[in-house]
This record gives sequence, structure tokens and C-alpha cells, in this order.
Amino acid sequence: KTQVEQSPQSLVVRQGENCVLQCNYSVTPDNHLRWFKQDTGKGLVSLTVLVDQKDKTSNGRYSATLDKDAKHSTLHITATLLDDTATYICVVGDRGSALGRLHFGAGTQLIVIP
Amino acid sequence: DMKVTQMPRYLIKRMGENVLLECGQDMSHETMYWYRQDPGLGLQLIYISYDVDSNSEGDIPKGYRVSRKKREHFSLILDSAKTNQTSVYFCASSLRGDTEVFFGKGTRLTVV
Repeated sequence: KTQVEQSPQSLVVRQGENCVLQCNYSVTPDNHLRWFKQDTGKGLVSLTVLVDQKDKTSNGRYSATLDKDAKHSTLHITATLLDDTATYICVVGDRGSALGRLHFGAGTQLIVIP
Repeated sequence: DMKVTQMPRYLIKRMGENVLLECGQDMSHETMYWYRQDPGLGLQLIYISYDVDSNSEGDIPKGYRVSRKKREHFSLILDSAKTNQTSVYFCASSLRGDTEVFFGKGTRLTVV
């Protein structure tokens, strides 16, 4: 059973618009949550990591929230650029050690059009 | 420069052939991983290695084996490849399984 669900599956926005990506999970325990960006045909690049029970992070035009009580995270992208076109993957780590496992969502495919 | 390097990037093999996927990292990370990524699914863990000759099965190890003889190298071996092993394979590494994980660019394997 999928333990990390991302929505929407795909999203098209115009350059300059803002967008919000959602991640709901059932992983227990939930030590941390990380958002990755995956360009087509490329590897995963980390955008941000959230650790606290209720956490917020900001990294340039990317900002993210985590609510461990609700097991829910959001990734906000402001003023989108064409280069933001990619798949965004939510990953929940059940421990902060080598004994832990990473649980991957299937990703949200974001397409930014001119 | 912190890097995970995968070779080859693209590979086409016939069913029944043996396949060797190589992965290297230059960060002296102890923990390394092999994942596969299929359309519509999240990455699935094939094997995890905690250090040299200390490997454990992941969630989908059947049909695969691994080798880690040096800390910086982790190989994935498919003995007698099957068509359902067509996928994109990612190698990753982390320091003692820390929250920070670095991924390679992937190897696209097609088994025909």
C-alpha cells in the first residue's frame, strides 16, 4: 500500500504564477520529510528538509510546511519559471539513521508554460 | 565536489544476459542505496549497503544482487536479465544514513 500520496498528479501553470503541491503520508514513525526536484532524465536534487512536529522552511522561491499531526506537507513555488518544469517528489524518512527507510511518493509533474 | 556517479547512463540488454550497473561516490559515505523508478510509482529500494561487505535486502531484491568491496563503489548485478527489469535505476549515498541523501543521475536499462 502506498504510504506517501502526492497531489495533484500533474499541474500546468503559467510562468510567474504560484503553485502548491501536496503530500499526505501514513509512514510511522516520521522522522523527517524531504522534497526533491527531478528534472526529466536526471537524478533527484534536494530542495528542503523538514524535521520538526510543525515545521516551515524557505529556500528562495521554494517554501515548505510540515504538520506531523496531520501527516501532511506542502511545497509552495512562487513566481514560477520555465526551469521549474520538473517532477517534485515527497520523501518521508522513518528514522534519521542508516537503519531507517525512505518512503517515496510518485511525484507531481509540474509544467510551466510561457 | 560532492557527487554520485552512475555508469552507464543508458543500457540495452537482451533477456537472459547479465547486467552490471556501477555507482561511485566521492564523499566517503558509509551508506549506499540502489533504487528503481517506474512510471507512476515512487522509488523502490532494491538493496542498501551500510559499508564494505555489509549489504541488506530492500523491498524488491528478487532478481538482483549487489557488491561493495570498496566504500566508494557499489555495484548492482542482474544475473539473467528479465524484461520486467526494464526501469531507471538510481544509486544514492548518505553519511551514516543521515537525512541528507545524494542521488546519481540514473541508469536507464532496457531489457528486450
